[in-house]
Amino acid sequence: EVQLVESGGGLVQPGGSLRLSCAASGFTFSRYWMSWVRQAPGKRLEWVANIKEDGSEKHYVDSLKGRFIISRDNAKNSLYLQMNSLRAEDTAVYYCARDSNHCHEEWGQGTLVTVSS
Amino acid sequence: DIQMTQSPSSLSASVGDRVTITCRASQSISTYLNWYQQKPGKAPRLLIYGASSLQSGVPSRFSGSGSGTDFTLTISSLQPEDFATYYCQQTYSAPFTFGGGTKVEIK
Repeated sequence: EVQLVESGGGLVQPGGSLRLSCAASGFTFSRYWMSWVRQAPGKRLEWVANIKEDGSEKHYVDSLKGRFIISRDNAKNSLYLQMNSLRAEDTAVYYCARDSNHCHEEWGQGTLVTVSS
Repeated sequence: DIQMTQSPSSLSASVGDRVTITCRASQSISTYLNWYQQKPGKAPRLLIYGASSLQSGVPSRFSGSGSGTDFTLTISSLQPEDFATYYCQQTYSAPFTFGGGTKVEIK
C-alpha cells in the first residue's frame, strides 16, 4: 500500500523557518517525481514545487523561489521542503504527492503550517 | 502562468442527477488536464488524468473530456459519496495551476 506521511508542520513566527518531511513507503520512491502542494484555509490548491527522481531537476512556483527549497533523500525514502522567511500568507496545509502520468496520483494526509506571532 | 477557470463555483444536485463541471485554460494545454475530488479535511484524490483517463479504482460514473482549452468532468449518476469539491489542474507547463474548485452540494 502506498503511504505518504507528512510531518514537521506547526506554529512559527513570521520570518521563521520550518522543514517539512514526507516519509514514503509501499513503492520504489527513487523512481518517481515528487511534488509539494499547499492549500490555504478556504482557498484553492496551489502547486509549490516538484523534484525529479534523482533530485537533479527542481521546479518552483515563481512566488516562492528563493524562500522554499525542495529536496529528497532516496536512501531514506523521504521528501523535504525547507521553508524560510515565512509569511502569514504561507499558512496552509502542505501535502506531498507522488507524480506519474503528469498528475499527482497519490497524496499524503497533509501537515498544517501556521505562520503567526 | 496558465490560468484555470472552473464553472460553476458551486452547484446543488440530487442523488441520481447527471452533473457536469467545466474547466477552461487561458491557453491551449493539449490534454494535460487532471481532475481531483476533495472532501472536507481530507487530501485530494485523483479522479481523471490526461483529460479523459480514469484513475484506477475510480467509479466509471466519472468521466472527463476535452482538449486544448475546454474540458469537462461529468458524473453520470450522482451518488451520496460524491458530494465534495472538485478541482481541475493543468500540468502542461509549470507552475501547475489549479482551478478555483466546484463545490457539489446536496439539493
